[in-house]
Amino acid sequence: KNQVEQSPQSLIILEGKNCTLQCNYTVSPFSNLRWYKQDTGRGPVSLTIMTFSENTKSNGRYTATLDADTKQSSLHITASQLSDSASYICVVSAASGTYKYIFGTGTRLKVLA
Amino acid sequence: GAGVSQTPSNKVTEKGKYVELRCDPISGHTALYWYRQSLGQGPEFLIYFQGTGAADDSGLPNDRFFAVRPEGSVSTLKIQRTERGDSAMYLCASSLMGQNNEQFFGPGTRLTVL
Repeated sequence: KNQVEQSPQSLIILEGKNCTLQCNYTVSPFSNLRWYKQDTGRGPVSLTIMTFSENTKSNGRYTATLDADTKQSSLHITASQLSDSASYICVVSAASGTYKYIFGTGTRLKVLA
Repeated sequence: GAGVSQTPSNKVTEKGKYVELRCDPISGHTALYWYRQSLGQGPEFLIYFQGTGAADDSGLPNDRFFAVRPEGSVSTLKIQRTERGDSAMYLCASSLMGQNNEQFFGPGTRLTVL
């Protein structure tokens, strides 16, 4: 069964600190992996997308990595800001149907002043 | 419009009632998707439209759920005989046609069934 698991479930850090969120997937055949940021009560917004051949992708203070061999991805946030407080969702698409996003349960990040 | 819009933003209804949730996709996006998100969970796929037709409705939980997109733009998700378990955030997304095109999400409709 195609699944996406994320850890930790929740995380609290101080403003200015770095953090790393993890994503493991069993989706096959793999097409691409996205990280989305979802503010409370809002729809998800895309941060990065990576295909099979890409190992790293950056978007400002966000850096995503992908290891297609171990089926693992991480999202590293540098110099966190209060506005980074949100849920971060890992989303994987299978090559058999790239329109059907398979979502992880998300990591809820809280950045404290 | 500039983004995907959904109305209403919140809907409170009583068990057994009928509800309609509306989605206005980004202009020019021929693909449209509905998802359901329970509290603390990731969104779950419901249905995918290519133009006016439902290309994949395998995620609809039962026959109380139905969605239409009669003119290939605005879509309506319809839920009959609502149950308390239907309470969730309903998200709509749209994208350009083609593989790997990014889905842009609306703000969602929070449905509460009392």
